[in-house]
Amino acid sequence: EVQLVESGGGLVQPGGSLRLSCAASGFQFSNYGMNWVRQAPGKGLEWVSYISSSDKTIHYADSVKGRFTISRDIAKNSLSLQMNSLRDEDTAVYFCAREGGGSTYYLDFWGQGTPVTVSA
Amino acid sequence: SFELTQPPSVSVSPGQTASITCSGDKLGDKYVCWYQQKPGQSPVLVIYQDTKRPSGIPERFSGSTSGDTATLTISGTQAMDEADYYCQAWDTSLYVFGTGTTVTVL
Repeated sequence: EVQLVESGGGLVQPGGSLRLSCAASGFQFSNYGMNWVRQAPGKGLEWVSYISSSDKTIHYADSVKGRFTISRDIAKNSLSLQMNSLRDEDTAVYFCAREGGGSTYYLDFWGQGTPVTVSA
Repeated sequence: SFELTQPPSVSVSPGQTASITCSGDKLGDKYVCWYQQKPGQSPVLVIYQDTKRPSGIPERFSGSTSGDTATLTISGTQAMDEADYYCQAWDTSLYVFGTGTTVTVL
C-alpha cells in the first residue's frame, strides 16, 4: 500500500525557516517524481515544487522560487522541502504527492498534509 | 501565465448528473486530470489523462474534452460525491490547478 506521511509543520515567525519531510513507503521511491502542493485556509490547491525520479529536474512555482528547496533522500525514502524567508502568505497545509510515473503529470497518491502557520 | 477556470459551484439532485467544466488556453493540447477533495481530507485522483479512471474510482465518474474545455461528469450523483473538485494540467514546467468547484448534492 502506497503511503506518504508528512511532518515538520508548525508555527513560525515571518522571515523564519522550516523544513518539511515526507516519508514514503509501499512503492519504489526512486522510480517516481514527487511534488509538494499547498492549500491555504479556505482556498484552492497550489502546486509548489517538483523533483524528478532522477533528481535531475527540479521546478518551483514563482511564488516560492529562491526561497524553497526541494530534495529527496533515496536511501531513507524521504522527500523534503526547506522553506526559508517565510511569509504570511505561505500559511497553508502542505501535501506531498507522487507523480503517476514517467512524466505523466498527474498526482496519483497524496499524503495527509502538514500545517504551516507563518505569524508573528 | 496559464490558468484553468472552473465554475465556483454546481448543485445537483441525488441520482442526477453533475457536470463540471474546466477551461484554459490551448487546454485541448494538454492532458487534464481531476481530483476530489472532501472537507479535512487530502485530494483523491478521480480522472487522469482526460478520460481514464484510477482503480477504485466508481464508474459514475467520467471525463471528456472538447476544444479547450474539459468536463468531469458524475452520473447518478450520490450524497457521498459532495466535495470540492479540481482540474489540473501541466504547462511548461508547472503543474496548474483549476480554481475549484464545490459540488452540492441537494
